[in-house]
Amino acid sequence: GESVGLHLPTLSVQEGDNSIINCAYSNSASDYFIWYKQESGKGPQFIIDIRSNMDKRQGQRVTVLLNKTVKHLSLQIAATQPGDSAVYFCAENMAPNDYKLSFGAGTTVTVRA
Amino acid sequence: GAVVSQHPSRVICKSGTSVKIECRSLDFQATTMFWYRQFPKKSLMLMATSNEGSKATYEQGVEKDKFLINHASLTLSTLTVTSAHPEDSSFYICSARVRQWEKLFFGSGTQLSVL
Repeated sequence: GESVGLHLPTLSVQEGDNSIINCAYSNSASDYFIWYKQESGKGPQFIIDIRSNMDKRQGQRVTVLLNKTVKHLSLQIAATQPGDSAVYFCAENMAPNDYKLSFGAGTTVTVRA
Repeated sequence: GAVVSQHPSRVICKSGTSVKIECRSLDFQATTMFWYRQFPKKSLMLMATSNEGSKATYEQGVEKDKFLINHASLTLSTLTVTSAHPEDSSFYICSARVRQWEKLFFGSGTQLSVL
C-alpha cells in the first residue's frame, strides 16, 4: 500500500489567495520528499523537493514544509493563479538515499476566478 | 534543462498484441529509469526500476513477463506490454534519475488503450 497520503482529495481556492496542500507520510526512514504537479493527460512536473535535514525550502511562489516529528509535509502556493489548477502529489523515497518513490493519493486544486 | 521524452503519447491496440513504449533522456545520461502506472484519478504506482546494462527490478505484483523492460543504453529505456489485454489499459509514465543533479524528471506519459 501507499505510505504517503494527502489529507484532502480536493481543494478549491480563490485566485490570488494562498493555497496549502497537506500530506502525511508513514515511513520514518524516508529522507527525500518531492511535490509534483500533474495536469490532465500529462506526466508529473517537478515543483520542489526537500531533504530530511531541512524543515523548510522555498521556491518561486512555493514553499515546502517538512515536520519529521509528526511525519507531515505541506506545499504552500502563494498568490494562486488559474494555471495552478492541477492535481498535486507528494512523494517520498522508499529507502534512504534511494530514488524509488512512493506517491500520495493526490489533491485536485481548482482555482476560482 | 533536462528533458525526458516518452513515445508514443497515445496508443490504441487490439487485445493480444504487444506495445512498446520508449523513454529517452535527451540532455543527460540516465543510469536509472523508473516505470510507473497510473489509473484514472489515481496515484502513480511504481512498476519497476531499470538500470542500464542490467535486468530490471520489478515491484511486488508486477509480472515481469508481461511488462518487459530493456535499458540497453544510458539514454533509452523501453517498456513492452506483451499480449496486451483490456485490463492493461492505463497511463504509463517513465522517469529518469539525473545523478549529477540528484533529481528525477518525468516523461509526458503514454496512454494505452487495449480494445
